[in-house]
This record gives sequence, structure tokens and C-alpha cells, in this order.
Amino acid sequence: DSGVTQTPKHLITATGQRVTLRCSPRSGDLSVYWYQQSLDQGLQFLIQYYNGEERAKGNILERFSAQQFPDLHSELNLSSLELGDSALYFCASSVDGGGRYGYTFGSGTRLTVV
Amino acid sequence: AQSVTQLGSHVSVSEGALVLLRCNYSSSVPPYLFWYVQYPNQGLQLLLKYTSAATLVKGINGFEAEFKKSETSFHLTKPSAHMSDAAEYFCAVSGSGGYQKVTFGTGTKLQVIP
Repeated sequence: DSGVTQTPKHLITATGQRVTLRCSPRSGDLSVYWYQQSLDQGLQFLIQYYNGEERAKGNILERFSAQQFPDLHSELNLSSLELGDSALYFCASSVDGGGRYGYTFGSGTRLTVV
Repeated sequence: AQSVTQLGSHVSVSEGALVLLRCNYSSSVPPYLFWYVQYPNQGLQLLLKYTSAATLVKGINGFEAEFKKSETSFHLTKPSAHMSDAAEYFCAVSGSGGYQKVTFGTGTKLQVIP
């Protein structure tokens, strides 16, 4: 157990739908990062939050949004889902806003869009 | 900006043979470097990290990596491969200053042949 909790572990939904992925960072970590991993695109950075505020944005689609709440858990919202959104979505956390200590990853949410 | 290049998307070794996974980095500032391992259907797990304390870094499961500034390399090695080492390995880099996030390489899948 890495200390980063992601729910749900698996999600199957239809095209056009909206889903919410949840992440609880490791205790004491202030930053949350969201990544998408697919066979053709590899590991893609989506977005980072630090202590409730957006810190960095990567290749995140406009249909996707995220937020970090006062208790530091984060949610990634995916809307108007397409078949190509099927992927593993990882959340990672770190104690600071940068990468000097590395990240701790959760076990991921496998999203299947049918 | 930082980046890493992993040479070889797939590497095969025989059980008991040396494991060598190559990583070259590019960074405009002194880097922090990491190796992560991902087993099937799991999240990424930190294997080891270089943060300028020592050029030879020892990690978990018998892996080690050597930081070579002159070659801008941070190759991962293990003297004797075990079947359980079969996984995907990611090299990653972060700048040492401020809020610089971690940038991941494209990954190398290690196959261990019995």
C-alpha cells in the first residue's frame, strides 16, 4: 500500500457519459498529480494541484477538469467521454510542489468507455 | 526544461544475466533523477532516486544506478535478473530548483527469459 488511494479501481461507462475519479494523497503530501496511461500515448501528465490550487497543466483535454479540496483529496472529472478516453488514470502525490523527493503513485483507475 | 530518453522500449535478458536499462537526461539545472517500476495492473513504484548526495545510488530489489554528469546518463543495473523483475521501468527527471515537476521517459519493458 503506497498510501495514495484511488477509487474506483475499475469503471465501465458509455460514450457521452461523465465520470468522476477520486484520489486521496499520502498523509502529509500537499501536491496531487493526475496522469493518463494508454498503450499508444504512454504516461501523459494531465494536471497538478498544490495545497488546493492548480499548479501546472499538461495535456489535459477541455472535457476534463480537476480540483483539490481543503482536505487535499482530489477529483478528476471526465465528461462527454469518447472511446479514446479508455485508459489507466493514475494519481500521484508529493510532499512539496516540485519533484525533488519523487512521487508516490496510487494503483490507478482503469476506465473503459464502450 | 528537463527531459529523459530511454533507449530501447523492450529489453530481454536471461534469468541470472545482467540487467542494463539505459537513460539519458537533459536538464538546464542540476537534476534530480529517478527510476520507477510498474508491474502489470499496478501503479508506478519508486525504485531509487539521485539527489546529488552520491553518484552511485542503490535502490530496492537489488537495483542500482550511477549518475554520470559527463555522459548525462543515469543507467539502471542489476547484476542478476530474476523472473520477478519482469516489468516496465521508467526513468524520470526533475529540476533541483523550485516547483519543477517530474518528467517521465517513455518506459522500457523488461522481459526475463527462464
